Order: sequence, then C-alpha cells, then structure tokens
Amino acid sequence: LAKTTQPISMDSYEGQEVNITCSHNNIATNDYITWYQQFPSQGPRFIIQGYKTKVTNEVASLFIPADRKSSTLSLPRVSLSDTAVYYCLVALASGGSYIPTFGRGTSLIVHP
Amino acid sequence: ETGVTQTPRHLVMGMTNKKSLKCEQHLGHNAMYWYKQSAKKPLELMFVYSLEERVENNSVPSRFSPECPNSSHLFLHLHTLQPEDSALYLCASSQDGGSTYEQYFGPGTRLTVT
Repeated sequence: LAKTTQPISMDSYEGQEVNITCSHNNIATNDYITWYQQFPSQGPRFIIQGYKTKVTNEVASLFIPADRKSSTLSLPRVSLSDTAVYYCLVALASGGSYIPTFGRGTSLIVHP
Repeated sequence: ETGVTQTPRHLVMGMTNKKSLKCEQHLGHNAMYWYKQSAKKPLELMFVYSLEERVENNSVPSRFSPECPNSSHLFLHLHTLQPEDSALYLCASSQDGGSTYEQYFGPGTRLTVT
C-alpha cells in the first residue's frame, strides 16, 4: 500500500532550525511535493512546494533528493508560533492511478 | 467573504438524521475537495471535483453523497451515519485538480454522530 511516512512529533527551542523529513516511495514522476501547516481548529495552510533540488521562500526551504523518494522541510529559526502540525502531500501510485495523499503529520512543539 | 468558507462549523446528528455540509470558495478555482480528518489519522481524501465533474471518490461509503452544482459550491450530503464517522470534515479548492496545485482549505465542520 503506497503511503507517506513522517515522524509523529518533534520538539525544538526558539531560534533553532527544524528539519522534518517525509518519505514517499511511490511518488508520481510528474507531480509536485507540497507541505502544509495546520493549527488547532483550522484547515491546513500551504507552506511550500517543489519538484526537485531545493526551493526556498520567505518562511521555509524544501530539499528534494534526485530520486524524489523523500523530502525535507526546513524551518529556520523557529518561534513559538511555529508550534503546529506539518503535513507533506504527494500523489502516490494506487491501483493504476495517482491519489493525492497526505502524510500522518508531524506535531512540532517549540519551547521557549 | 474571501477564501474558502464552510457551514456549519459544528454539527451534532443522530444516526437516522439527514444533513448537509456546505462549502463555498471565492477564489475562482476549478477544483474542489472533501477531506475527512479523524483523531490520530491522516487527512483522508474523500472526493475531488474538477470542472464540476467528480474524478475521485476513494471508495467512500454511500452514506456520504457529494454534490457540486457549480465551480464555487460543494456539498456533502449525509444520511444514516455511524459514530465512527465523527470527525472534522474539510473542504479545499485549487486552481485545478491534483496535488500539483496549491490547495486552499476551509476551517472545517466538526461533525459528531450520536
């Protein structure tokens, strides 16, 4: 069964860099990798998206190796407000088609 | 109103009731999605509509019935639900279908089946 794998939880401190990795072995060859952030009682919010190598925007970086079987979300200098659940989203092969599939999410807690 | 809105925000229903969840997007997108989010489980894609036609249903039980009358509105009709259907139901929209495109999510409807 195609799936994505992320760590269940991570702890960090304010000002540190946090790296969250998602494994996705059966990713579609022509689809993007997307990461979302979710706060309690809210819908997920887009953070960053990439196809290969490295992508950077004002809030995060995304590292994707050549085989695209994993991706790493990097949050520089986290603050307390970055405490949230982070999900990767990829299209995975399933029964002859590709299904948008979220990871189980990584709960990040940032401590003072 | 901007973004993606969902009503109601909270819903409690009995197993014999019939209710509907409503989603509206004000972003000019062509694709809309229903997701189910249960405690300690990943977001589960239920339905995808692209250009008002359903393209995915992921073997969702027939007690969930989607309707997409136009590209801005999406409904999820519920009937004879089970307690295990209690969850947060999220609606999303994107410029086009598939995970390639950034999805914008609504705040969700917290459903409790008693």
